[in-house]
Amino acid sequence: GIQVEQSPPDLILQEGANSTLRCNFSDSVNNLQWFHQNPWGQLINLFYIPSGTKQNGRLSATTVATERYSLLYISSSQTTDSGVYFCAVEYTYSGGGADGLTFGKGTHLIIQP
Amino acid sequence: SQTIHQWPATLVQPVGSPLSLECTVEGTSNPNLYWYRQAAGRGLQLLFYSVGIGQISSEVPQNLSASRPQDRQFILSSKKLLLSDSGFYLCAWNTEIYEQYFGPGTRLTVT
Repeated sequence: GIQVEQSPPDLILQEGANSTLRCNFSDSVNNLQWFHQNPWGQLINLFYIPSGTKQNGRLSATTVATERYSLLYISSSQTTDSGVYFCAVEYTYSGGGADGLTFGKGTHLIIQP
Repeated sequence: SQTIHQWPATLVQPVGSPLSLECTVEGTSNPNLYWYRQAAGRGLQLLFYSVGIGQISSEVPQNLSASRPQDRQFILSSKKLLLSDSGFYLCAWNTEIYEQYFGPGTRLTVT
């Protein structure tokens, strides 16, 4: 099956700092999503981004499908950004749509005041 | 708008007892539905998915089973729980472009 690797596994920053989280995947994908898991366990959708670049406020993401990686940028970090960030993909050969996502192990981000 | 519900929110069950977790989706019809499990400190693992009533596909052989008795209802069950079944169980559905959205989850502790 497809492999999804996220880096770094842990990241501690001061409030106001910027960060870049990386997701590498081992095969072609037709779906790539970034999620934020808050301290209560809720998975919050950040981006649906199988290719290209998107921005939402202080967050932006870029996926370069041909090179099999995606980046999540967080600018001007706030303490509420703390939590685990997951990248998840669905790979192309699976037939599309119904087979579920393969998750990376996540990046645990701590923003200190 | 679409909403996904899971219950119970937390559950503590003894080893060998049965399990039933329920997931319902509102605001959409004939969604693809999924069950994932997250063990402590780890990523999510896909357990089951369903593309329609009575249609279940299993990704991982295990002590669990799933059923879809109604269009927007997905149930995760076990006849006899094991310690290794402890974890955080999440239900999800996807949109027409296959973007997935997750419910609030059920935290299961098997003692």
